[in-house]
Amino acid sequence: QSVLTQPPSASGTPGQRVTISCSGSNSNIGSNNVYWYQQFPGTAPKVLIYRNNQRPSGVPDRFSGSKSGTSASLAISGLRSEDEADYYCAAWDDRLSGYVFGTGTKLTVL
Amino acid sequence: DVQLLESGGGRVQPGGSLRLSCVASGYTFTFHAAGWVRQAPGKGLEWVSGISGSGDVTLYADSVKGRFSISRENAQNSIFMNMSSLRSDDTATYYCVRFRSVLPTATYFDYWGQGSPVTVSS
Repeated sequence: QSVLTQPPSASGTPGQRVTISCSGSNSNIGSNNVYWYQQFPGTAPKVLIYRNNQRPSGVPDRFSGSKSGTSASLAISGLRSEDEADYYCAAWDDRLSGYVFGTGTKLTVL
Repeated sequence: DVQLLESGGGRVQPGGSLRLSCVASGYTFTFHAAGWVRQAPGKGLEWVSGISGSGDVTLYADSVKGRFSISRENAQNSIFMNMSSLRSDDTATYYCVRFRSVLPTATYFDYWGQGSPVTVSS
């Protein structure tokens, strides 16, 4: 059972900016870093954002992350067709002493 | 390049056991924790287990605690997960992951294997 809540779907047209929210609690997002993962159908996830707003090398700066209180957001600007994928937020949870993932958001580029 | 290669998945009856293996290459194995994340068919991601670089710290999700056991053999650059008392809700693709840090706590998964499917069904 996922502890972090995301909208099941999001969409936008090419060039638009879209945001995906991730809602948690004091024991996870409220006191730990947030990470975002991107997953294409039939493939393994890859990390997109680490430590709330840092991008690994190779991730375009169109992707950005932010965190405030017990919520976090992933923003994608200049939307492209190749951004169509599933996106998951994640964080360490102090109460569970383990990692929790978001429910996942399927992004569609119209 | 960092690579993680899983093996050992397959079909097993409820109540049965299975052992997953993951061989890592392309980095100093003991410098990073490793573990497993699973994904049931058509569902989201679920963290399962993690083990520190030295092997002395192990963590488990509540859903598998007492049934799954993670270990590593650093001389072989490998981690293992022994799964017992398997249930239908353990059916998933199991991804081997490398943790960014040497400890499996409060970090992230920076490399993923391609996954090993496990089906628990009679």
